[in-house]
Amino acid sequence: DAMVIQNPRYQVTQFGKPVTLSCSQTLNHNVMYWYQQKSSQAPKLLFHYYDKDFNNEADTPDNFQSRRPNTSFCFLDIRSPGLGDAAMYLCATKQGRGNGYTFGSGTRLTVV
Amino acid sequence: QQQVKQSPQSLIVQKGGISIINCAYENTAFDYFPWYQQFPGKGPALLIAIRPDVSEKKEGRFTISFNKSAKQFSLHIMDSQPGDSATYFCAASRDYGGATNKLIFGTGTLLAVQP
Repeated sequence: DAMVIQNPRYQVTQFGKPVTLSCSQTLNHNVMYWYQQKSSQAPKLLFHYYDKDFNNEADTPDNFQSRRPNTSFCFLDIRSPGLGDAAMYLCATKQGRGNGYTFGSGTRLTVV
Repeated sequence: QQQVKQSPQSLIVQKGGISIINCAYENTAFDYFPWYQQFPGKGPALLIAIRPDVSEKKEGRFTISFNKSAKQFSLHIMDSQPGDSATYFCAASRDYGGATNKLIFGTGTLLAVQP
């Protein structure tokens, strides 16, 4: 089945230790999004790629970076995780306009 | 102008009852209004969506009612079941408004359907 896959499902990292979360998709969608969702809150958009064009939200901390080496893969890099970065990180994809978003199951990040 | 306001924050409904969740938006440029269902530990899953050219859309037990003039839309879950217990998010985006197509989420409603 075509889908959005996030790995790992659970990630524990140490305070200040760089961590990378990955997202892959078999849908061949041209837009990929990263959302941060803290407990009992709505998902918050961090940034997205429209094809190769990177779009950063104004309030996304510099600590968060992203890479999209090809259509299928997108990575979220947290350079120096703090305790406040503990959250569920959701990847979503979309094909152009007029279509729905497809979300992955998320990666739950714990910072110790 | 980018906000989507959602209410109630939580909702308890008896099995077989009707669950109603309301959302309001400000940006008249929004043209795509989906509802997402999220179970604990899972990503949001698209439940049903509507565009402003229709006032109602029904899929099975789920119905969206849309009031363009009031800038409000709501989700109705008929014959609510315990398996419907989840967090529901409304959202809005400018689907045809440009390259960004950002999905703006409401604050979420935690629904509990009691057996």
